[in-house]
Amino acid sequence: SYVLTQPPSVSVAPGKTATITCGGDNIGRKSVHWYQQKPGQAPVLVIYYDYDRPSGIPERFSGSNSGNTATLTITRVEAGDEADYYCQVWDGSSDHYVFGTGTKVTVL
Amino acid sequence: EVQLVESGGGLVQPGGSLRLSCAASGFTFTTYWMSWVRQTPGKGLEWVANIKHDGSETYYVDSVKGRFTISRDNAKNSLFLQMNSLRADDAAVYYCARDGQQVAPFDYWGQGTLVTVSS
Repeated sequence: SYVLTQPPSVSVAPGKTATITCGGDNIGRKSVHWYQQKPGQAPVLVIYYDYDRPSGIPERFSGSNSGNTATLTITRVEAGDEADYYCQVWDGSSDHYVFGTGTKVTVL
Repeated sequence: EVQLVESGGGLVQPGGSLRLSCAASGFTFTTYWMSWVRQTPGKGLEWVANIKHDGSETYYVDSVKGRFTISRDNAKNSLFLQMNSLRADDAAVYYCARDGQQVAPFDYWGQGTLVTVSS
């Protein structure tokens, strides 16, 4: 089955840039979506189709995808960005949706 | 405004059954695939099952095949998950999510309902 690997945690100072990676075999050939989940809340879509932002999501959130790594970048990090972030793809070989292992972003 | 509201979670003994519901509003329910996604406490997200807009196709993660059944009532804008032969590792928060189908994202999620499996 297809596996997406994320770093368990990322720490970043306010105003700095957080970079969250999502590794998968030839993930660059897939469409990657990113979700933000704050404690006790449901996931919220923050990036879809690698780099598109839903309405209401700040421009500080951006995405890229190439080779074996997709990346979510949060610039000018704020305290309110502290959350868990998950990447997700569709695995056509198994007809299953796959989520990454999740990354906890801590704002120092 | 799109709203998805789950209900039906609770405490059930191993081997027992539970039926989850999801009430949808704010969009044309009959034109969307829908999914159930679960999250084990303190752990990550796992897609469980989805269903085509007209109910004619369903798909499941291997670990629930033969035990869980996803269904929908388009007349009532409702999604269901019948869970039988529940095991301890089925314990999780279950979310319903609007499913863009295959390469598209889950663009709206409910608030989740907690299922606890314990004797």
